[in-house]
Amino acid sequence: QLQLQESGPGLVKPSETLSLTCTVSGDSLFRSGYYWGWIRQPPGQGLEWIGSIYSSGSTYYTPSLKSRLTISLDTSKNQFSLKLNSVTAADTAVYYCARPSIPMALGPPDFWGQGTLVTVSS
Amino acid sequence: QSALTQPASVSGSPGQSITISCTGTSGDVGGYNYVSWYQQHPGKAPRLMISEVRNRPSGVSHRFSGSKSGNTASLTISGLQAEDEAEYYCSSYTSGSTVAFGGGTKVTVL
Repeated sequence: QLQLQESGPGLVKPSETLSLTCTVSGDSLFRSGYYWGWIRQPPGQGLEWIGSIYSSGSTYYTPSLKSRLTISLDTSKNQFSLKLNSVTAADTAVYYCARPSIPMALGPPDFWGQGTLVTVSS
Repeated sequence: QSALTQPASVSGSPGQSITISCTGTSGDVGGYNYVSWYQQHPGKAPRLMISEVRNRPSGVSHRFSGSKSGNTASLTISGLQAEDEAEYYCSSYTSGSTVAFGGGTKVTVL
């Protein structure tokens, strides 16, 4: 059974870098042939797709965040990570890691982590 | 502004059927069958209800069904129950190699 678990600081200062990790169990990031993604949800607002990374390392980012965003794989730890630099209060959100059920398909996710709240504040 | 358009709210009485629409373009909903629907209760992670337009995952009630016509996808909830009261989101793959979400629809059971 695939399980995803987000981890990282719950509080980040403005202009600093937001860093989160998603630990995967029940599948291998390196061999899987899936797209692994990040989605966020500001308090009281809707869902926003941030970006995804394929098991080969190819990345796909939402255009509005592309200049500040890096998603990477750590296959030795079976984890993938998100780094968002120069954050502002607008980046305050619950961040989810997720994965579709269809191999080689960059599409809406089927499996979600429980989410982690990141607050940007001094 | 969300890429996919959903009504802000839909309501119905217990036992009734309701339909939530999700309107996009030929570059997303209309062009691909990678359309999903999610249910989200307050403080919880989204739960997949429908994938690939009309596929219902194991464990999801048969009261939930999905369809698509042109650039609009729809989620129908039949036999509405109190536990169905939640926020619902649609999502689609896009031609720009991204994933779009709708703005969400609040379902109220009267």
